[in-house]
Amino acid sequence: DTGVSQDPRHKITKRGQNVTFRCDPISEHNRLYWYRQTLGQGPEFLTYFQNEAQLEKSRLLSDRFSAERPKGSFSTLEIQRTEQGDSAMYLCASSLARLAGALNTGELFFGEGSRLTVL
Amino acid sequence: GEDVEQSLFLSVREGDSSVINCTYTDSSSTYLYWYKQEPGAGLQLLTYIFSNMDMKQDQRLTVLLNKKDKHLSLRIADTQTGDSAIYFCAERRYSTLTFGKGTMLLVSP
Repeated sequence: DTGVSQDPRHKITKRGQNVTFRCDPISEHNRLYWYRQTLGQGPEFLTYFQNEAQLEKSRLLSDRFSAERPKGSFSTLEIQRTEQGDSAMYLCASSLARLAGALNTGELFFGEGSRLTVL
Repeated sequence: GEDVEQSLFLSVREGDSSVINCTYTDSSSTYLYWYKQEPGAGLQLLTYIFSNMDMKQDQRLTVLLNKKDKHLSLRIADTQTGDSAIYFCAERRYSTLTFGKGTMLLVSP
């Protein structure tokens, strides 16, 4: 399977603990995105990388959240000192952004998500 | 506003056509998308349309775009029970996608 993979699929933690999620994008994709989805809502943008550079962060990404993509391949999303409000599905997506002048259709390919429950 | 708006729920009978509507906000959006999400799963891209097109057809799916009204619709012909899911429209703003809250489609036999 060469799709986007996320790990773990489910995580239950106590308030105040740190958690880390991993995302492996489609191998030839240079962009990687993190979204958060809560019950009854659509995905909300958190941050994205082009190769190893983090190009944009949403105001939803508080100081307790940090994302990395050290070698431009897989990415990690860490949440420190978790709060109950952090309970959500964390979705990773990847896309291929071609060189300037080329047609970029921009569609994102999503993984199955990592569901976080903070007790 | 900044929201992509969708009706929350649609119920149809198997074999009927389903039409899911969406209004978006950014007239400069270059692409608009429809995604499908089944329970407990990630989002699956169904189709997309470039902003200079009015219509796109892909098998049972027809996308209509009215740029003047910033209105997007997804028509599913011959709806099947397997089409029951949440459908999200999304607009592309620069390098990110902004999603609506989703329309839950329930198909009854």
